[in-house]
Amino acid sequence: GEDVEQSLFLSVREGDSSVINCTYTDSSSTYLYWYKQEPGAGLQLLTYIFSNMDMKQDQRLTVLLNKKDKHLSLRIADTQTGDSAIYFCAETYYGNNRLAFGKGNQVVVIP
Amino acid sequence: NAGVTQTPKFRVLKTGQSMTLLCAQDMNHEYMYWYRQDPGMGLRLIHYSVGEGTTAKGEVPDGYNVSRLKKQNFLLGLESAAPSQTSVYFCASNQNNRGPGELFFGEGSRLTVL
Repeated sequence: GEDVEQSLFLSVREGDSSVINCTYTDSSSTYLYWYKQEPGAGLQLLTYIFSNMDMKQDQRLTVLLNKKDKHLSLRIADTQTGDSAIYFCAETYYGNNRLAFGKGNQVVVIP
Repeated sequence: NAGVTQTPKFRVLKTGQSMTLLCAQDMNHEYMYWYRQDPGMGLRLIHYSVGEGTTAKGEVPDGYNVSRLKKQNFLLGLESAAPSQTSVYFCASNQNNRGPGELFFGEGSRLTVL
């Protein structure tokens, strides 16, 4: 079954880079995702990576996937105050209805 | 486009009372989901539906019932509320589960059971 692990809290100064890590246990995942939850809101898809990729870059976001170690990371360059949120990694399977979320990592950006 | 709308946004119940949370989506999505979010626990799937008239159990279905009588609506019911059901409930929907289908979330419903 799916089991997604994340660390809980990260504080970072505005303008620095922040890195959020996630490990997962099921190697058959097809896609891995990063969702962002701002205070008082639902989750929004930030980015995703297909399991046959090692890296995906999308503007300030870089996703790294190490399938051997089942490790997923999200790097946010030039972190801004609007990046303060909880970030969830998640995995799903082709043909599977369930999206398994990690516990979330709260990022606080200090001006 | 309203996306995914949940009502009510806040509710306080006494132990043993019943209530229904309503989720409505206007994107013609086939799949709908109910999650609960608790501190330190992340999101856990309660029930989900793969189409009108269908429902299935998720990770934590006990104490909840659901119905999907219309494609656009997914109802979550608590027949006899317990303090352990104090949580923030999120409804989500997507078109299908093939490929990197984006999950669209409502803004959440905060339920307190006294």
